[in-house]
Amino acid sequence: NAGVTQTPKFRVLKTGQSMTLLCAQDMNHEYMYWYRQDPGMGLRLIHYSVGEGTTAKGEVPDGYNVSRLKKQNFLLGLESAAPSQTSVYFCASRPSMYYGYTFGSGTRLTVV
Amino acid sequence: SQQGEEDPQALSIQEGENATMNCSYKTSINNLQWYRQNSGRGLVHLILIRSNEREKHSGRLRVTLDTSKKSSSLLITASRAADTASYFCATDAAAGGFKTIFGAGTRLFVKA
Repeated sequence: NAGVTQTPKFRVLKTGQSMTLLCAQDMNHEYMYWYRQDPGMGLRLIHYSVGEGTTAKGEVPDGYNVSRLKKQNFLLGLESAAPSQTSVYFCASRPSMYYGYTFGSGTRLTVV
Repeated sequence: SQQGEEDPQALSIQEGENATMNCSYKTSINNLQWYRQNSGRGLVHLILIRSNEREKHSGRLRVTLDTSKKSSSLLITASRAADTASYFCATDAAAGGFKTIFGAGTRLFVKA
């Protein structure tokens, strides 16, 4: 019973490089989310998906793209990394908006 | 802007004491959730309380919700050193949508 699995756990990028963060859940949840967490700011929503093949923008979507080709996977892409994207990224899922989230363990990204 | 605001920002208590954390929010909600985050880890869902509920319990946790004051509290009774963590409240708006707003959290330190 893995829950929500994020890969990689750590990554260092140079400014301008691109990368993809992978999130996989095995709970058959409809809703999946990508958040970023910065010191003292709580979590901010980047993008979310309410079902396979659907995505929507959150609070801070600029510089990121997402895809949900399969129900269990939600990918977050950084097109051209910037130092401002240095953060801890969390993927989360839930069955519907009437339930709490299950979070992954996070990806710590540093852009130099 | 953040919907949920936790108070206090930090709390230090002795093992065995009770810890109370408060959360205030601005708009009508569908539900309010509390999460725990240990250092360097993902968030763990503790309790979800719906807007028509006033109190919920889970083990040593007690959550209250006062929709007239737009506030909630999380009480941890007989605290243990293992309760040391950050605690976040999160709200789903009554207006609908699929976004949850997280507060900046309360850092709890329980001294053995």
